Amino acid sequence: EIVLTQSPGTLSLSPGERATLSCRASQSVISNYFTWYQQKLGQAPRLLIYDASSRATGIPDRFSGSGSGTDFTLTISRLEPEDFAVYYCQQYDSSPWTFGQGTKVEIK
Amino acid sequence: QVQLQESGPGLVKPSQTLSLTCTVSGGSIIIGGYHWNWIRQHPGKGLEWIGYIYYDGTTNYNPSLKSRVTISVDTSKNQFSLKLSSVTAADTAVYYCARGAPAEFDYWGQGTLVTVSS
Repeated sequence: EIVLTQSPGTLSLSPGERATLSCRASQSVISNYFTWYQQKLGQAPRLLIYDASSRATGIPDRFSGSGSGTDFTLTISRLEPEDFAVYYCQQYDSSPWTFGQGTKVEIK
Repeated sequence: QVQLQESGPGLVKPSQTLSLTCTVSGGSIIIGGYHWNWIRQHPGKGLEWIGYIYYDGTTNYNPSLKSRVTISVDTSKNQFSLKLSSVTAADTAVYYCARGAPAEFDYWGQGTLVTVSS
């Protein structure tokens, strides 16, 4: 199975700053079937990005995804107070679908 | 707006079978192109995909759980269900149902905590 490793584990930033989250796959995600989710405490995850770079419906354009092969990135251009949460990457190129362990974006 | 809602016991005894149902509203489960998934999250941990079912009954399970998992669908009730047998404390988790479109999870239930304890 494809193992996804997210870095950093925790990102401490201030509102208005840029956040860059990374996810590395143990083998190439050939089809670019790659997603990012946001999860707030006590809530279900929310789809942000699919197919590596396509924003899901209703997601603000400050969220963007990029990457291919084994390295993928989620960028939040300017952090809003509601963006402080845990973010997970996920691949659906090869079954079983797998998730990264998460990156927590916290207020500095 | 599609909505999913999990239901089932919140407490299961060790060695017994965990059974959950996901009721889908706002859209038909038999619309092609969607997979209907179960995903779990151990307390304070990350997400683990359990498996999916298609409306025609086709399934795909995570090999790590395959020997204990059965996912079924009841199109007449617009529901799909999860059974996980021989549970242990390691199966204590929040269980989510989610729609795969086909594999990115665009709609999720709120999740239900299942505790395995005697």
